[in-house]
Amino acid sequence: TAGITQAPTSQILAAGRSMTLRCTQDMRHNAMYWYRQDLGLGLRLIHYSNTAGTTGKGEVPDGYSVSRANTDDFPLTLASAVPSQTSVYFCASSDSIAGGNEQFFGPGTRLTVL
Amino acid sequence: GQNIDQPTEMTATEGAIVQINCTYQTSGFNGLFWYQQHAGEAPTFLSYNVLDGLEEKGRFSSFLSRSKGYSYLLLKELQMKDSASYLCAVRDSNYQLIWGAGTKLIIKP
Repeated sequence: TAGITQAPTSQILAAGRSMTLRCTQDMRHNAMYWYRQDLGLGLRLIHYSNTAGTTGKGEVPDGYSVSRANTDDFPLTLASAVPSQTSVYFCASSDSIAGGNEQFFGPGTRLTVL
Repeated sequence: GQNIDQPTEMTATEGAIVQINCTYQTSGFNGLFWYQQHAGEAPTFLSYNVLDGLEEKGRFSSFLSRSKGYSYLLLKELQMKDSASYLCAVRDSNYQLIWGAGTKLIIKP
């Protein structure tokens, strides 16, 4: 069982370039999330989707956009990367946003913006 | 604002017991989660508490007091593989998870 996959594993990106981080889950989960994790800080929510066709802004959405065209895929796009977007990005999914439904995490994408 | 506080780092001995505390101030409360994260890996789910009291799962237990805004994760019979960061997260009134910065647990032989 694959669970959640993310691509690429790591990337070095020049400032000003655009990039899409891919995320796919095979668990038929309704909700999906994008987080960034920086040293000394907790995971911070960038964007989320409670169900296919809907998206919402999290704590740190500026500079990022998402789409949820179907249940399985939830790509994250950086339109014009800046060095402060250097981080580890985790995609996660859960069956729903409520109850004891845990979030399952992908392996992460390590992004460096120079 | 919303805030989750955990100790930055703790050290314990193999075979011993360790308690990792978490205090929170959030807009609403819809459950508290504990996750384990090994260095360079993704977080993995450990426990969920929504009512006051202790939840036990093998060597790991988690406690919640909603009136005090307090939780702890108790790890018994520590093993070297338990060396990891432990993340506390609270689901707020918008059903979003607010995460603490994590507690790095170092296990010594």
